[in-house]
Formats: sequence, C-alpha cells, structure tokens
Amino acid sequence: DGGITQSPKYLFRKEGQNVTLSCEQNLNHDAMYWYRQDPGQGLRLIYYSQIVNDFQKGDIAEGYSVSREKKESFPLTVTSAQKNPTAFYLCASSSGKVEKLFFGSGTQLSVL
Amino acid sequence: DQQVKQNSPSLSVQEGRISILNCDYTNSMFDYFLWYKKYPAEGPTFLISISSIKDKNEDGRFTVFLNKSAKHLSLHIVPSQPGDSAVYFCAANDGGSNYKLTFGKGTLLTVNP
Repeated sequence: DGGITQSPKYLFRKEGQNVTLSCEQNLNHDAMYWYRQDPGQGLRLIYYSQIVNDFQKGDIAEGYSVSREKKESFPLTVTSAQKNPTAFYLCASSSGKVEKLFFGSGTQLSVL
Repeated sequence: DQQVKQNSPSLSVQEGRISILNCDYTNSMFDYFLWYKKYPAEGPTFLISISSIKDKNEDGRFTVFLNKSAKHLSLHIVPSQPGDSAVYFCAANDGGSNYKLTFGKGTLLTVNP
C-alpha cells in the first residue's frame, strides 16, 4: 500500500538536544511538507520541498532544519534553538500543486 | 493574523441529523478550499474540496458550499453518523502559492447516538 510513514510515533527531547523526525513516502510525490499542530490550533507550515535538493521555509521555520536528498524522504530536525518544541508534527506530500495533501500519522514530540 | 477562521471550536449533533461546519476567510486571493477530517493522534485525511469557480460540491453525504462575496464556506454532513466524530479543518490555497495551504484551527464534531 502506498502511503507516508512517520517515525517515531512518540519522541522525547532533552534540553539542548537536537532530534530528527523521519518521514518517508512511497507515493512518488514530488512535494513534501512539514506541519506543526499545537492544542487548539490549526496546522502551521514549517518547511516544504517541491523537488529533490530544494526546500523552502514556511511560516514557522526558526529552530528547524530539513533536507531532501531523496524523493522519498524529508527528515525534519528540531534543533536546540527551537525553544518550544512540544507539539504534534505532521509530514505530508502531494503530487505537485497542493490540491490535496496526504498526511502521515504524526509524531508527538515532548520535552523532558 | 488568521486568514482562515473556524469560529466554532466544537459542535454536537444527534445521529441522523445534519451537521453544518462553518469557515470564514479574509484573503481574497484564496481560490481553492479543502476540508480535512482528523482523528486523535492521527494525520488529517482529505474529505472534500471546492474551487472558487463553483459554489457547491457534493460527495455522498458531504457537501461544501462556497459564498465568495461573504468569504464563507460551509461543510454539510447529512445524515450525521457517530463515525463522523472528529476534528474538521478548513484549508485554503491561493493560486500564486501552489505549494502552501493555510489551515483554520479546526472544529470538533461530536455525533451522539
């Protein structure tokens, strides 16, 4: 079955630590995205990538970094510069223009 | 500055009745609108969409209405079922930003048996 796989489902970060969230898709989609959801809030765009080796900042990119070395993979690193990292992180992909995003099942990141 | 607003955090309806979820937007450049459904601890799933050239789109029990002059859209679910209980997000895209969706905060729908 085609889809988007996010791992891990739960992740804990210590103060000053960088952590990386994995996102893999086998839908052959060109575009991939990272969103953050806070309780009672909508989804906010962190980064997106339209093609391999290219990515753009979204609305809340500070404290995050990404890479897009392969079409299938778009990992997100939450750096120590992100002072409020506790949130539900969602990865998504689309075939091109954002008519329809397909989402992964999410990663809940918490700070110890 | 919220460009997509869902002013009702929650809605409760009886099974078999109609559910109406509302969404307002402020950016007149938005020309494509989507509704997503989300269960707890899962990713959102696409439900239905509408282009600004239409005022209605129907898919089974789900209908989306768009009123461009009022910058308002609504999602109707008829008849509502307990399995419809979830958070519903309204999202919008403007044609100049092909890769970005702007989401509302969501409305929690509870359908009571």
